[in-house]
Amino acid sequence: GAVVSQHPSRVICKSGTSVKIECRSLDFQATTMFWYRQFPKQSLMLMATSNEGSKATYEQGVEKDKFLINHASLTLSTLTVTSAHPEDSSFYICSVAYTEAFFGQGTRLTVV
Amino acid sequence: RKEVEQDPGPFNVPEGATVAFNCTYSNSASQSFFWYRQDCRKEPKLLMSVYSSGNEDGRFTAQLNRASQYISLLIRDSKLSDSATYLCVVGYGGSQGNLIFGKGTKLSVKP
Repeated sequence: GAVVSQHPSRVICKSGTSVKIECRSLDFQATTMFWYRQFPKQSLMLMATSNEGSKATYEQGVEKDKFLINHASLTLSTLTVTSAHPEDSSFYICSVAYTEAFFGQGTRLTVV
Repeated sequence: RKEVEQDPGPFNVPEGATVAFNCTYSNSASQSFFWYRQDCRKEPKLLMSVYSSGNEDGRFTAQLNRASQYISLLIRDSKLSDSATYLCVVGYGGSQGNLIFGKGTKLSVKP
């Protein structure tokens, strides 16, 4: 199955700064990757679909100018949380669709 | 509105017990169905896909009832290592990435 590597696994940043999260498909060329967010005791919620070489598709209620997605190659998608605020603190996780959905290890973001 | 609903639990059971989880989904256009397992602060991992004919994998049995829009997971002879949150997941469209997750059912297996 596909191996997905996500980095960093944990980050603490100050309010107002930006944070970049990387998602790499190590053994599978992924034209599409997916970004999810999970708040404590809540379900995973799809934020956006990342498309290689084109603009990402955002789910309703997700600000595209705040959550910048870049999918410049078939093995790398990045999510940048811009001007982070404490309410952005969450567990962010990416996935690649292959025979099933394979997930990265997730990034726990804490904004202080 | 797309929704997947599960009893959040927790289910606290002794080792060796049989436990059943249920899940309902609201959109009849759903095309694929899964149970994922998520350990605390970890990424979800596929436990099994769910088919209309029902499927079994060792101690785990999954059932799908499309008419009732209902999915179940049965775990027999529970092990301590089964302790986790079990996520009912429904897929839309042809992509395995367009998934709607339930909030999960927490299982705790005690010695």
